[in-house]
Amino acid sequence: EVQLVQSGAEVKKPGESLKISCKGSGYSFTSYWIGWVRQMPGKGLEWMGIIYPGDSDTRYSPSFQGQVTISADKSISTAYLQWSSLKASDTAMYYCVMDFGVWGQGTLVTVSS
Amino acid sequence: DVVMTQSPLSLPVTLGQPASISCRSSQSLVYSDGNTYLNWFQQRPGQSPRRLIYKVSNRDSGVPDRFSGSGSGTDFTLKISRVEAEDVGVYYCMQGTHWPWTFGQGTKVEIK
Repeated sequence: EVQLVQSGAEVKKPGESLKISCKGSGYSFTSYWIGWVRQMPGKGLEWMGIIYPGDSDTRYSPSFQGQVTISADKSISTAYLQWSSLKASDTAMYYCVMDFGVWGQGTLVTVSS
Repeated sequence: DVVMTQSPLSLPVTLGQPASISCRSSQSLVYSDGNTYLNWFQQRPGQSPRRLIYKVSNRDSGVPDRFSGSGSGTDFTLKISRVEAEDVGVYYCMQGTHWPWTFGQGTKVEIK
């Protein structure tokens, strides 16, 4: 079964760093791009960026360029989304997606002092 | 960025009746390879989004045939032939032709 399994919910303080993960299984991890989508509370879906694990080619949506870092470790079939300094406005559900059709279960990130 | 505009944003429907959602893009979604990368997603309450339709009119595996997609260029439509209770949720169109990819605002489907 093709699936993406994301890391668990996080509660952080403003200014802290965070790295969440998305592990792929059941398919060739290096052959399909993985993207990250943000959904703020009660709001719609926004593409943050994508990575092609085969060569680590990465693209960011202009709204998220410089705000987050997307990476992947193909040796363990895992993609990452990280922040160096969280803000309260980063509070959201974050989904990883493979080739549009396979979605992770989501990671809820809460940033509050 | 390509702006995806959905209408209506709220759609109360009667069980067993048809429903239709419109999606318009601010520019053509025809890619250089001739394909049109327009997808439709369903997000049920408390769940991850699920793709229903890809490349305008192709249903994903396991998607009931009451769902259909149509359109071309900048105008697209998702139709549900007979709404069932399990269809309640928010529906999003999304273009994968121009980076950054973009979603519509979402259409909330509820039962009257």
